[in-house]
Amino acid sequence: GESVGLHLPTLSVQEGDNSIINCAYSNSASDYFIWYKQESGKGPQFIIDIRSNMDKRQGQRVTVLLNKTVKHLSLQIAATQPGDSAVYFCAENIQGGSEKLVFGKGTKLTVNP
Amino acid sequence: DAGVIQSPRHEVTEMGQEVTLRCKPISGHNSLFWYRQTMMRGLELLIYFNNNVPIDDSGMPEDRFSAKMPNASFSTLKIQPSEPRDSAVYFCASTSVPRSPLHFGNGTRLTVT
Repeated sequence: GESVGLHLPTLSVQEGDNSIINCAYSNSASDYFIWYKQESGKGPQFIIDIRSNMDKRQGQRVTVLLNKTVKHLSLQIAATQPGDSAVYFCAENIQGGSEKLVFGKGTKLTVNP
Repeated sequence: DAGVIQSPRHEVTEMGQEVTLRCKPISGHNSLFWYRQTMMRGLELLIYFNNNVPIDDSGMPEDRFSAKMPNASFSTLKIQPSEPRDSAVYFCASTSVPRSPLHFGNGTRLTVT
């Protein structure tokens, strides 16, 4: 089966709140992780990535946290906006492996005005 | 930059017919990926190419599926004969640097009746 999984299929937040989307991975050999955002009718769009030599990385309104001890990845979105409503996927790549990215099943984020 | 271009955007065909999906990667990108997305299985890698050479086709479901990349600016994914269970959204993605974010097209939604 897949080594990356998202166990919460939906997340609903109020506009302006912070959102946290979680991802668990099972392959300890994974060393590169990416978060994607997918809007209806479109392809996945890159948000932020992180390599295993880091435990935190920040972008514009987004932060990715990596906890290698428990094999957990999270995406934090600050001041969530209606335009953030989408499905969010985490993906992993295995160290020393091919360029293959393995995707989780996704979490649907709904931002209520 | 036009991004990854896929055609057609929608394809409806009858079982048993041949289907050909097309992809134009971003200019200068030397790795190209074909993914399939379904509600049940999420995003699955079918095959990827590096410098027009197939590197990993372990995700291709069966012999009915084939992919080619005759040059750096064009790839096809063919299903012959198509079956209803092939109904899905097929994405093409490209990148220029190994183990870096993939750039996705907007996909082809295939419906096989």
